[in-house]
Amino acid sequence: GDSVTQMEGPVTLSEEAFLTINCTYTATGYPSLFWYVQYPGEGLQLLLKATKADDKGSNKGFEATYRKETTSFHLEKGSVQVSDSAVYFCALSGDTGNQFYFGTGTSLTVIP
Amino acid sequence: NAGVTQTPKFQVLKTGQSMTLQCAQDMNHEYMSWYRQDPGMGLRLIHYSVGAGITDQGEVPNGYNVSRSTTEDFPLRLLSAAPSQTSVYFCASSYSGTPGWAYEQYFGPGTRLTVT
Repeated sequence: GDSVTQMEGPVTLSEEAFLTINCTYTATGYPSLFWYVQYPGEGLQLLLKATKADDKGSNKGFEATYRKETTSFHLEKGSVQVSDSAVYFCALSGDTGNQFYFGTGTSLTVIP
Repeated sequence: NAGVTQTPKFQVLKTGQSMTLQCAQDMNHEYMSWYRQDPGMGLRLIHYSVGAGITDQGEVPNGYNVSRSTTEDFPLRLLSAAPSQTSVYFCASSYSGTPGWAYEQYFGPGTRLTVT
């Protein structure tokens, strides 16, 4: 079945460091891919998404490119801030468009 | 718009008790779902609904019951609480998926449930 695997955390970075969180997926057909962010004590919020191969999703300085050849959707940011400290979830929506499959989440802490 | 609302925010139950977690959305979304979030497990789908009167099981449905009598509401019932159901529960909603489209899921703030 469909699934998402993302890198284990926690990740601790200094402010202004480069961030990469790896995400790979297994799916039949042509899934859509998402990154969600969860701040402490809150629900998940959509960060960015991509619906087809080679699409790049971007938001708030974060980027991820849908790579069908490597079945990946890695999250990147060139210069992280303390306010980026959160848990990041990679997710996919399968061909039916309804069911979402989430990765286990990667906790990011950015220190000043 | 209030978005997706959940009540209560926190709940403590004793083993064997039953309760209902409430979820409501005011965005006229057809699709609603319940997830549980456990450390190291990510979010796991419990039940979902693609419209009023239609529900289906997700990955971990045992011990939970749902119904969808209106578009707005999607309550989750714990029939006989067990310590293994200690978790954070999230409700989410979106427009109903069409193959090839990617509708964003909107999440509620969560209910933190402890079963002793």
